Amino acid sequence: DARVTQTPRDKVTEMGQEVTMRCQPILGHNTVFWYRQTMMQGLELLAYFRNRAPLDDSGMPKDRFSAEMPDATLATLKIQPSEPRDSAVYFCASGSSGTGNTIYFGEGSWLTVV
Amino acid sequence: AQRVTQPEKLLSVFKGAPVELKCNYSYSGSPELFWYVQYSRQRLQLLLRHISRESIKGFTADLNKGETSFHLKKPFAQEEDSAMYYCALLNAGGTSYGKLTFGQGTILTVHP
Repeated sequence: DARVTQTPRDKVTEMGQEVTMRCQPILGHNTVFWYRQTMMQGLELLAYFRNRAPLDDSGMPKDRFSAEMPDATLATLKIQPSEPRDSAVYFCASGSSGTGNTIYFGEGSWLTVV
Repeated sequence: AQRVTQPEKLLSVFKGAPVELKCNYSYSGSPELFWYVQYSRQRLQLLLRHISRESIKGFTADLNKGETSFHLKKPFAQEEDSAMYYCALLNAGGTSYGKLTFGQGTILTVHP
């Protein structure tokens, strides 16, 4: 049963620290998404990639957030410096035309910035 | 711009009662719609998609293009249905092809 893998599962960090979240998409999926989930805003799309190229990162605060895909098996989301308002669950998801446009989510990275 | 609206943040029903979670959308093209479910501290899981016209865990959803709705229904709710439910719309064309837009989500609580 192939799954999207995310690390870390839980992270508590101090304001100002750098946070890096990693995602391994399902093998063969060519589209990768980063979503942020909060009680107030629900699910927000931060960025997404197709064939490792960024397609849309308009939902991501550019001053402190960055998203990359160094290779087809790894996507990263970095926050530097982190702030308490970044506390949220960050989900990675992957899909492809072969999945009929269905996307599959990872377990999420639960970030708390104190 | 595409948009998905779930008007109810919270929905409570008793076990055995019918449940309907509302979803409305705005999209200029032909929509492709999904329902995802998230149980406590777990990943979002696909519940169903309108193209498949299937029923999963007793849930069904019919696309009504006239009303631009894709409401999720179940005739007899169970306690294990308690979860967060998200309606989502796929952008199937243009430069944003493949982008999935989610509604705000509805927290369903089924009481014994």
